[in-house]
Amino acid sequence: AQKITQTQPGMFVQEKEAVTLDCTYDTSDPSYGLFWYKQPSSGEMIFLIYQGSYDQQNATEGRYSLNFQKARKSANLVISASQLGDSAMYFCAMREGLSNDYKLSFGAGTTVTVRA
Amino acid sequence: SAVISQKPSRDICQRGTSLTIQCQVDSQVTMMFWYRQQPGQSLTLIATANQGSEATYESGFVIDKFPISRPNLTFSTLTVSNMSPEDSSIYLCSPLTGVREQFFGPGTRLTVL
Repeated sequence: AQKITQTQPGMFVQEKEAVTLDCTYDTSDPSYGLFWYKQPSSGEMIFLIYQGSYDQQNATEGRYSLNFQKARKSANLVISASQLGDSAMYFCAMREGLSNDYKLSFGAGTTVTVRA
Repeated sequence: SAVISQKPSRDICQRGTSLTIQCQVDSQVTMMFWYRQQPGQSLTLIATANQGSEATYESGFVIDKFPISRPNLTFSTLTVSNMSPEDSSIYLCSPLTGVREQFFGPGTRLTVL
């Protein structure tokens, strides 16, 4: 079964607007972590933000924030005030508990194109 | 965050040959992960390497095809053996530096002709 689902293959957003990237996950482990990465065309994987299952607040890092809805098992990434440099592939990933040897499971990714 | 380097950054190889990818971290780490990203696809874990023990491979990956070395806590290598065009991918190392973070090396872009 797919552990991480990203249903939006591609999205367009106008410069300076906000965009929300969807991510739903599936786990029975009460302890898990959710990660978001940005991959520009250069191929590097840039770590953006982390949300722990027991964190009381939604994670934020600069223009990135995570809309964490635990009951719905969703961890959507919000990018505010989009910039041309935000055009990239974005991946959601999950690490399940401590028994999974810290492995990450990745979603299929969402391509974001920022228009001027 | 850790400084992670990979060599080579890219290579073009002939089928049937082997390529060894190096990953260097500026701090000691217990676990090193190796991922593959085939064109247009997401990342797939190849194996987990701990210093002083054999690597643990994921389903679909075998040691004869992807031998890994982990001679110390700051360095690891992944070899792609007897390459075919299907091995054309980006290969990324990722050291475990913390529970709430996971960084990746810059990647090695491999093309097999």
